[in-house]
Amino acid sequence: KQEVTQIPAALSVPEGENLVLNCSFTDSAIYNLQWFRQDPGKGLTSLLLIQSSQREQTSGRLNASLDKSSGRSTLYIAASQPGDSATYLCAGEAAGNKLTFGGGTRVLVKP
Amino acid sequence: NAGVTQTPKFRILKIGQSMTLQCTQDMNHNYMYWYRQDPGMGLKLIYYSVGAGITDKGEVPNGYNVSRSTTEDFPLRLELAAPSQTSVYFCASSYTAQSSYEQYFGPGTRLTVT
Repeated sequence: KQEVTQIPAALSVPEGENLVLNCSFTDSAIYNLQWFRQDPGKGLTSLLLIQSSQREQTSGRLNASLDKSSGRSTLYIAASQPGDSATYLCAGEAAGNKLTFGGGTRVLVKP
Repeated sequence: NAGVTQTPKFRILKIGQSMTLQCTQDMNHNYMYWYRQDPGMGLKLIYYSVGAGITDKGEVPNGYNVSRSTTEDFPLRLELAAPSQTSVYFCASSYTAQSSYEQYFGPGTRLTVT
């Protein structure tokens, strides 16, 4: 059974600092790894999807890497801004497009 | 496109009452999902559907039922509400099971059972 873990559960950084969010998973036979952003009281917004054959994906200030052999994915957010404050969730996809979610990392970027 | 829509946004139920959470998508996605999110936790899959007329259990299906009579709609039914079902419920959809397609989420329904 796939288990996905995100540590730390919460993170606070000053504006401008780079953010590094970690995600680990137990079953390396994942099809892809997806990162989401969730604002308080809102639904999930997909940020990046890394297919199992890829090592990383980039979108603007966001970069996500995937290392299946070590069971890890990392989301980097460059030059953080207060608007980046949110909860970030990672999820690994198994057969049938079923996602297993981590518990999330709650990020606060202080002005 | 409206994407994935859910109704209601909020609901308070008494123990033993029943209700249906509605989910509709207008993207012609064949896969649809129901998740629940407890405070401070990630999402857990309740039920999913790979197309009209086909549904299957996820990780936490007990106390819930679903149906998929059309491609667009995937309602979630709670028959005998219990306090343990207090949670935020998210519906999602995706185009196919292939790994390159993302899941799109609705805004959620916040349910309290007292």
